Amino acid sequence: NAGVMQNPRHLVRRRGQEARLRCSPMKGHSHVYWYRQLPEEGLKFMVYLQKENIIDESGMPKERFSAEFPKEGPSILRIQQVVRGDSAAYFCASSPGVGTEAFFGQGTRLTVV
Amino acid sequence: GQQLNQSPQSMFIQEGEDVSMNCTSSSIFNTWLWYKQDPGEGPVLLIALYKAGELTSNGRLTAQFGITRKDSFLNISASIPSDVGIYFCAGQINSGGSNYKLTFGKGTLLTVNP
Repeated sequence: NAGVMQNPRHLVRRRGQEARLRCSPMKGHSHVYWYRQLPEEGLKFMVYLQKENIIDESGMPKERFSAEFPKEGPSILRIQQVVRGDSAAYFCASSPGVGTEAFFGQGTRLTVV
Repeated sequence: GQQLNQSPQSMFIQEGEDVSMNCTSSSIFNTWLWYKQDPGEGPVLLIALYKAGELTSNGRLTAQFGITRKDSFLNISASIPSDVGIYFCAGQINSGGSNYKLTFGKGTLLTVNP
């Protein structure tokens, strides 16, 4: 049973480009969470999604950031017109139900140059 | 929003020594979790605590959920080189429909000298 799969592991983007981060949850998990980790900081909650629904996006910047979890395929975190401050590690976690243990992926390290 | 204060920020110890780290909060949490993160990897859950006063062990690791529900500690006994990494505490509240959101501390970087 594969764990949470995130790709790419590393992503370099120039300022103004778009970044698309993918997350495939564990088999049987329909709840996905995205967290951001700045250098030498803890993880900060961004968004919680169930299949085709955004449940809570209170931690996500209002502009340039969006997330989706379609009926088929992985969850996508999309950052438009990236800026240097977007450089961070982005982690996805999944769980089988709300309030149950969430398992983290290995993260995508985004570097904006 | 909730904030967790985790200390110490970093520790340098000799192999075989015991380690203790803790987290405090100004808010109550209903669940406390301790994670370990290796370089370039995601956090891995070590111990979960669900009840105030609870003391739970996982091998050489022991964690406690404070009685006030505003703090937790993690102890590692007889450290070994593979204990190296960043340890994070995380709290979860189970009210207002937010029982999925984790609030993380800033982490304790542990270095073990063989």
